[in-house]
Amino acid sequence: QQQVKQSPQSLIVQKGGISIINCAYENTAFDYFPWYQQFPGKGPALLIAIRPDVSEKKEGRFTISFNKSAKQFSLHIMDSQPGDSATYFCAASMKEGFQKLVFGTGTRLLVSP
Amino acid sequence: DVKVTQSSRYLVKRTGEKVFLECVQDMDHENMFWYRQDPGLGLRLIYFSYDVKMKEKGDIPEGYSVSREKKERFSLILESASTNQTSMYLCASGPLAGGRTDTQYFGPGTRLTVL
Repeated sequence: QQQVKQSPQSLIVQKGGISIINCAYENTAFDYFPWYQQFPGKGPALLIAIRPDVSEKKEGRFTISFNKSAKQFSLHIMDSQPGDSATYFCAASMKEGFQKLVFGTGTRLLVSP
Repeated sequence: DVKVTQSSRYLVKRTGEKVFLECVQDMDHENMFWYRQDPGLGLRLIYFSYDVKMKEKGDIPEGYSVSREKKERFSLILESASTNQTSMYLCASGPLAGGRTDTQYFGPGTRLTVL
């Protein structure tokens, strides 16, 4: 119940295309869903996050779509660029219990020029 | 800018050695975390601390201990390193806001190899 399942494990997208990464969870107590971006040799960094009171959040080319009934959320990267090539982690946390972040297993995105 | 620094980028140790990984944050964050990152397994929480001298076990605490004597410093200790502890270790810190820590700031990681 504490898991967040992420897919795909890896993704290759052409420059200008749309990258889509999906995550699913079981625990309905989760109430915060961030995405972290990690470049090689760096630690993950917060990219964008959403709370379940909205179905979509957009920041520039990055959009989170959230489906509360299906317990799924996804990251869409529009007009993908080679500089977006990185590993992306979805995560979830809840109000109770020290608000630990539960991370997905990660998606390695490669945007080809 | 928030800065989380880790004492080493790369570390090679022998089986059975005691290993110390140090982490320092400069933003006066209450919470600090240690994760290990392995391909296909994502980030798994080893230990976290919500205050000086306070610690809580994460999901995979076996074989590890931690120390937090000062607010800005959180140490991960491998009492007797084993080859299955070869991994990337990430430290993170986060502020307590509204009674929760939603954003974590990560260090660059320490790649530990145990021979």
